[in-house]
Amino acid sequence: AQSVTQLDSQVPVFEEAPVELRCNYSSSVSVYLFWYVQYPNQGLQLLLKYLSGSTLVESINGFEAEFNKSQTSFHLRKPSVHISDTAEYFCAVTDTGRRALTFGSGTRLQVQP
Amino acid sequence: SQTIHQWPATLVQPVGSPLSLECTVEGTSNPNLYWYRQAAGRGLQLLFYSVGIGQISSEVPQNLSASRPQDRQFILSSKKLLLSDSGFYLCAWRATGNSPLHFGNGTRLTVT
Repeated sequence: AQSVTQLDSQVPVFEEAPVELRCNYSSSVSVYLFWYVQYPNQGLQLLLKYLSGSTLVESINGFEAEFNKSQTSFHLRKPSVHISDTAEYFCAVTDTGRRALTFGSGTRLQVQP
Repeated sequence: SQTIHQWPATLVQPVGSPLSLECTVEGTSNPNLYWYRQAAGRGLQLLFYSVGIGQISSEVPQNLSASRPQDRQFILSSKKLLLSDSGFYLCAWRATGNSPLHFGNGTRLTVT
């Protein structure tokens, strides 16, 4: 069975500071990994994904995540956050044999001025 | 381009009343369709998914049911709502293989 662990339920950070949101997964087969962002009272939006190839993937708004197979991790990073990055972030995993994504419990990023 | 519509956006229903939430997808054919529930302060729980018309898989036992009467329509129902059914319900679709999920804007259900 697959599982996703997001150890930090909340991450407070000051504006323009760097941030890392941690994600670890467990799976017995090759996986595809995703980060989603959710703003209040909205659905989830895809932020970035790892399917194959380069282990470092980037989003258009400055976030990046690195797939580390040996550590079964897919941490999300941003070198300098903005107030507008305040949201909840979900890590998710699936594989070719599964129909659905398995989500972590989410990390609430709170960017303070 | 593909779009997903989910309604209503908010709903307040008394305990014991029925429920019907609807989701439709445009711009794609034969999508995989999903219903997730997000309880306050918790992650996403997969409720149902469907890989084709009339094909429904249930992930958790509960008093909810799902139906797919048309290729791009997915309905979540209940005959009698419980207080514990309150939450944020999200419909999503994906193509096959390794494609990501695309979510609707969600329905916030409050059972009183």
